[in-house]
Amino acid sequence: AQSVSQHNHHVILSEAASLELGCNYSYGGTVNLFWYVQYPGQHLQLLLKYFSGDPLVKGIKGFEAEFIKSKFSFNLRKPSVQWSDTAEYFCAVKGGGFKTIFGAGTRLFVKA
Amino acid sequence: DAGVIQSPRHEVTEMGQEVTLRCKPISGHNSLFWYRQTMMRGLELLIYFNNNVPIDDSGMPEDRFSAKMPNASFSTLKIQPSEPRDSAVYFCASSPAVGNTIYFGEGSWLTVV
Repeated sequence: AQSVSQHNHHVILSEAASLELGCNYSYGGTVNLFWYVQYPGQHLQLLLKYFSGDPLVKGIKGFEAEFIKSKFSFNLRKPSVQWSDTAEYFCAVKGGGFKTIFGAGTRLFVKA
Repeated sequence: DAGVIQSPRHEVTEMGQEVTLRCKPISGHNSLFWYRQTMMRGLELLIYFNNNVPIDDSGMPEDRFSAKMPNASFSTLKIQPSEPRDSAVYFCASSPAVGNTIYFGEGSWLTVV
């Protein structure tokens, strides 16, 4: 069965610090990969996605993610976070079948 | 273009009452999902439909929960009878195709007292 693992449940950073959130999945076939963001009190929104092609994907608000097939990973990065990036971040994977599986989420708190 | 529309946005109800949550997916999307989000359990997929047909309801917690999709533009999630542990945010979401981006509604914030 597919699964998605996000390594950090909570991350606290100061403004301008660099961010990397880990995501690993278990599925050996072709995958579609997503990162969603949920700002406080709001719904989940797509941050970026990877279906095929260049494994380095750029999303909104300066975020990027790199798909490393050999490591079954799709880590999210941002070189310099802002207070407004405080949110919960979800990695999601669609492999075989109908389901898109979401990770448990990582709560990021950025100190001003 | 309107996004996924959910109603009610907030509901407070007494234990034992029936709760019906409603969802209008984005026009043209053929996959619809119901999720529940709580602090303790995070984001849980309850059920999803493809072309109005329930594909997987294994996430529905118990028989008190039921979901329907009578047509491509409307779905309901019903809880009868409701219990305090059902208090959560319920998100409806839709997708243009299996495996594609999932678009979430604003959520229905349910409190059962």
